Amino acid sequence: AQSVTQLGSHVSVSEGALVLLRCNYSSSVPPYLFWYVQYPNQGLQLLLKYTSAATLVKGINGFEAEFKKSETSFHLTKPSAHMSDAAEYFCAVSLNDYKLSFGAGTTVTVRA
Amino acid sequence: ETGVTQTPRHLVMGMTNKKSLKCEQHLGHNAMYWYKQSAKKPLELMFVYNFKEQTENNSVPSRFSPECPNSSHLFLHLHTLQPEDSALYLCASRRRENTEAFFGQGTRLTVV
Repeated sequence: AQSVTQLGSHVSVSEGALVLLRCNYSSSVPPYLFWYVQYPNQGLQLLLKYTSAATLVKGINGFEAEFKKSETSFHLTKPSAHMSDAAEYFCAVSLNDYKLSFGAGTTVTVRA
Repeated sequence: ETGVTQTPRHLVMGMTNKKSLKCEQHLGHNAMYWYKQSAKKPLELMFVYNFKEQTENNSVPSRFSPECPNSSHLFLHLHTLQPEDSALYLCASRRRENTEAFFGQGTRLTVV
């Protein structure tokens, strides 16, 4: 069975500071990993995905994530936070089937 | 705009009503999903349809009844719901396993 754990339900950063959101996965086979963002009363939008190619993945809005098999992690980063980054972020995992499991989410607030 | 359309966006229903949520995608995807998103809770996978066949039912109460008449349409029929069923219901679709899911904007359901 696959699962993801997001460490920290809330993260607060200053505008211009580094954003770091943590995601660890549990999987018995090589996983496919995703990060999504959700704005209030909206659906989820894909930020980036890891599908066994490059371990450093670049996404939209300046975000990137690094797949580390030894640490079973897929942490999301952005060098400089912008006010528009305030949202909820979800890590998700999929194996070689149609099931797609999400973490509990991390809410990001950005201080001016 | 993700290509996945959900209607209605908002729904208020009494506990004795019967209503249906609709999801439509014309992306050529083979799998469609229903997720429930409640406040302060992780995203809960409810149902998965793959090529119109239900492949996942996550112990969802029978007052929720899914229907997938073709690969482009997915319904969630609701009857005799409880107030705790109030949530954001999200539909998603995927081309195949290991690809990213595209989400609709969701239906905000309130049961009174």
